[in-house]
Amino acid sequence: EVQLVESGGGLVQPGRSMKLSCAASGFTFSNYGMAWVRQAPTKGLEWVATISYDGSSTYYRDSVKGRFTISRDNAKSTLYLQMNSLRSEDTATYYCTREPGSSFDYWGQGVMVTVSS
Amino acid sequence: DIQMTQSPASLSASLEEIVTITCQASQDIGNWLAWYQQKPGKSPQLLIYGATSLADGVPSRFSGSRSGTQYSLKISRLQVEDPGIYYCLQGYSAPLTFGSGTKLEIK
Repeated sequence: EVQLVESGGGLVQPGRSMKLSCAASGFTFSNYGMAWVRQAPTKGLEWVATISYDGSSTYYRDSVKGRFTISRDNAKSTLYLQMNSLRSEDTATYYCTREPGSSFDYWGQGVMVTVSS
Repeated sequence: DIQMTQSPASLSASLEEIVTITCQASQDIGNWLAWYQQKPGKSPQLLIYGATSLADGVPSRFSGSRSGTQYSLKISRLQVEDPGIYYCLQGYSAPLTFGSGTKLEIK
């Protein structure tokens, strides 16, 4: 059974940093691209970043470019999202997703990130 | 960026009724279109990928179709467990973009 379990969320002040993790199991992690998708409270879904199966390629939405870094450790079957210079508009539930080919087939339960002073 | 215009924003239908939700892409995206269902407090669930392929475990009353740059999700006979918010996603080019969502309720 595919499982994606996010951790690392919480309350953080504007301008500070936070790192999210996603532990994957139930599939060969190193064979799949992975992504982060977020959802602000009462809002729709927004793609944040994607990383290729081997970590050699990464893609970001413009609003997080230069502030967020997606990475992975295939030996640990873990996906990461390092978020720096956080803004109030980054407040959202962040989902870890598996991306087999330009869609997201499995999602984690989500982790809430609140950026507020 | 590719815009996905989803309609209607909300929909109320009776049990066993046929329901159709559409997404219009701002440019050609081929078959790089997926549909998701999200229930309150839950993660989205993949329903359709490749515009017309049913995801594993999804009931056959769900189907997807394409006509040019317009994509449709059809629920052939609405069931009590189908209410939620439905989103389309274009996976043709970054940034990947979702439609704004359709809230489906039972009448």
